[in-house]
Amino acid sequence: KQEVTQIPAALSVPEGENLVLNCSFTDSAIYNLQWFRQDPGKGLTSLLLIQSSQREQTSGRLNASLDKSSGRSTLYIAASQPGDSATYLCAVGGTGGFKTIFGAGTRLFVKA
Amino acid sequence: EAGVAQSPRYKIIEKRQSVAFWCNPISGHATLYWYQQILGQGPKLLIQFQNNGVVDDSQLPKDRFSAERLKGVDSTLKIQPAKLEDSAVYLCASSLLTDLNEQFFGPGTRLTVL
Repeated sequence: KQEVTQIPAALSVPEGENLVLNCSFTDSAIYNLQWFRQDPGKGLTSLLLIQSSQREQTSGRLNASLDKSSGRSTLYIAASQPGDSATYLCAVGGTGGFKTIFGAGTRLFVKA
Repeated sequence: EAGVAQSPRYKIIEKRQSVAFWCNPISGHATLYWYQQILGQGPKLLIQFQNNGVVDDSQLPKDRFSAERLKGVDSTLKIQPAKLEDSAVYLCASSLLTDLNEQFFGPGTRLTVL
């Protein structure tokens, strides 16, 4: 059974810091991994989608990497800003009988 | 391009009542998803449609939940009768062809069951 874990559950950093959010999964038979941002009381905003054949994706200050063999993905945020404060969720799409499974998220607070 | 639309945004009902949620996906998107997000947790997939067919409903509590997508476009999710533990945000998402594609989410419906 696929399990997705995100560590840490919460993170507080000063503005300008570079940071890494972690996502791990137990079953490497995935076909993609997607990172989302969720603001309080809102839906999810897609940040990056990595297909299983890819190692990383970049968008602006965001870079996501994928290592299927070790069951890990990281989301790197460069030069963090207060507007980056939100909950960040990863979701894996799988083969072999399971569909999209989300982690519980990392709540990020960037202090001005 | 219009995003995923959901209504209502908020709903408060008493236990044992019925409730229905509506979702209109991004135009042209074949796959539609309904998720349940309980406070402090990640979303849990309830049901996935491709066009008007069900791809996966393994986590849908079928004794009380039902969903349909009759014309392969918009969809409704119904709960009958509601329980206290159904209090959650119900999120609808869509993707262009299959779940290999990026998923786009609507704003969600926050359900409170008293």
